[in-house]
Amino acid sequence: DGGITQSPKYLFRKEGQNVTLSCEQNLNHDAMYWYRQDPGQGLRLIYYSQIVNDFQKGDIAEGYSVSREKKESFPLTVTSAQKNPTAFYLCASSISFGARGYTFGSGTRLTVV
Amino acid sequence: QQPVQSPQAVILREGEDAVINCSSSKALYSVHWYRQKHGEAPVFLMILLKGGEQKGHEKISASFNEKKQQSSLYLTASQLSYSGTYFCGTVTMEYGNKLVFGAGTILRVKS
Repeated sequence: DGGITQSPKYLFRKEGQNVTLSCEQNLNHDAMYWYRQDPGQGLRLIYYSQIVNDFQKGDIAEGYSVSREKKESFPLTVTSAQKNPTAFYLCASSISFGARGYTFGSGTRLTVV
Repeated sequence: QQPVQSPQAVILREGEDAVINCSSSKALYSVHWYRQKHGEAPVFLMILLKGGEQKGHEKISASFNEKKQQSSLYLTASQLSYSGTYFCGTVTMEYGNKLVFGAGTILRVKS
């Protein structure tokens, strides 16, 4: 079955370390997204990519970086510059950018210890 | 600009109806609705494009009032499985077609 796979499900990071969250999709979708979810705040857009080798900053990109070298993969790196990285991170994809419904992965819960 | 959802939370008994509203301060191109169960991924319910149409299936439907820049999600004869957090997401031309989510409405259906 097609879908989005995020790994790991849970991740613990020490302060000052960079960590990379994996996101892989086999839906043949062009567009991919990273959202951060905090309690009571809904989902906030970190980065998005409309097509391979292209990506743009969302609303809260500071302290994060991404790459889109392959259509199926859109990894997110949480750097030590992110001041409050503890959150639930969701990756999503859509067949094209904009009007179509999004398919979400099951998320990665990152905790800084 | 984040859309505003209301109510923030609602508790129902099985069989009762609920309406969740989503309002935007910007002209809308489309509205998405998603449901998320605790600790899981949001699941796409439906999308409404500008034109005031109403879409839905079974007992969950939605309307889109382009002039008022609002959308409403209707849940009729609620079931226990409807429990979760409902998010609307809005796409506006002023925001470059990016999907912006509301803060969510927590729905709990009791037996």
